Order: sequence, then structure tokens, then C-alpha cells
Amino acid sequence: GDSVTQMEGPVTLSEEAFLTINCTYTATGYPSLFWYVQYPGEGLQLLLKATKADDKGSNKGFEATYRKETTSFHLEKGSVQVSDSAVYFCALSDYGTSGTYKYIFGTGTRLKVLA
Amino acid sequence: EPEVTQTPSHQVTQMGQEVILRCVPISNHLYFYWYRQILGQKVEFLVSFYNNEISEKSEIFDDQFSVERPDGSNFTLKIRSTKLEDSAMYFCASSEGGGAGYEQYFGPGTRLTVT
Repeated sequence: GDSVTQMEGPVTLSEEAFLTINCTYTATGYPSLFWYVQYPGEGLQLLLKATKADDKGSNKGFEATYRKETTSFHLEKGSVQVSDSAVYFCALSDYGTSGTYKYIFGTGTRLKVLA
Repeated sequence: EPEVTQTPSHQVTQMGQEVILRCVPISNHLYFYWYRQILGQKVEFLVSFYNNEISEKSEIFDDQFSVERPDGSNFTLKIRSTKLEDSAMYFCASSEGGGAGYEQYFGPGTRLTVT
């Protein structure tokens, strides 16, 4: 079945460093791809999404491009802040048997940014 | 901004006991979901629910699990006889529509500890 693989954490960076969190997927169809973020004590919040190949999702300085040829959706940010410390989840929407979609998640990558 | 809420935030129960996890989805949403995350593992889909019936369920969602929308605002997950391996974070989500382009909004989760 469909699956998502993302890099192991934790990732520790200094403030203003460049961030990349790798995410690759396997899917039989053409899923939409998502990055969710979870801050301590909070729920999963959508960070960005892309619905088709070559789409770039962006939000709050984060970007990810849907690369069908490499089945990847890597998350990047040019200059991280302490407030970006959180767990980041890559996910795809998987077409279910009933016609609704469910999400397939990666394991999550914890990011810690030091001042 | 509307949000999904979940209660309790943490539930401790003994093996064999029944637990009910509660969620209040966003009011105009029509599709509801439960996911879970065992510590250190992936966020996994359990079940989707639409029009007062289950749309899809995973192999994890066996006869010990049930879902209900008892009053038009709450959405509950019941585990009839808990096992140690049910210990996990349980996330509720809702979406306006069931298609790939509809974002699922997640609650903060209920941490279930079975002793």
C-alpha cells in the first residue's frame, strides 16, 4: 500500500540555519501531499500542501515541492527560528475504498532550534 | 478560528476496562476521523465516518472499537476492553468534504495509558 518515509530526528539547528527535512513516498495513484506541524501540547496543524506534481506549497517561510520523478516532498526553510521547534509530519492523502480519503503519515521529525 | 477539541487530554485506565474518547469536530464539517500514534511510531488511520456511518476502517479497528456521533456535535471513540497495546495518542480530525483537496483539521489528541 501507500507509505511515507521521513528522516529520523531529532534535528538540532542553530537559529538562522537552513532546514531540510526529507520526505519520500510510495503511492499507486496521484496523492496530495502535506506537511503538518505539532507544537508542544497542541494538535497537528497543516503547514503546507501540494495537490499535483511540480506544485510548490509554502507557508511561514517553509516550502516543499511535489516531485513526482523522485517521489519526494522535502520540507525546507531558509532561516529557522527558535519558535519553529516542533515535530513535523509528512503525509499523503490515500483514496479509500469508500471514496473518502485518509491520510498516511510519516513517523514525524522533531526539530529543535537553539538560540 | 474554529478548532477540533478533544477530551480528556490524558486518560489512564486498567487493562480490560472500557474507555470513551470524546471529540467535538468543527461545526460545519461532515467527515470525521480517528487516528492514533503509538509512542515513537507513525500516526495511523483508524476510521472515517460520514453521514452517521463508518466510511472506512483500518485493520486496527477491530470489534473492540466503535465510533458514534451521539448528539450532532460530539464524535466518540469507544474501546470496549482495553489492552496494553492500545496505549497511544489518539487524534480526532474533521473535514468539510471527503475529497483529496479537503484539509483535515486535527485536535490536540488524547493520550491513553493502559496499565
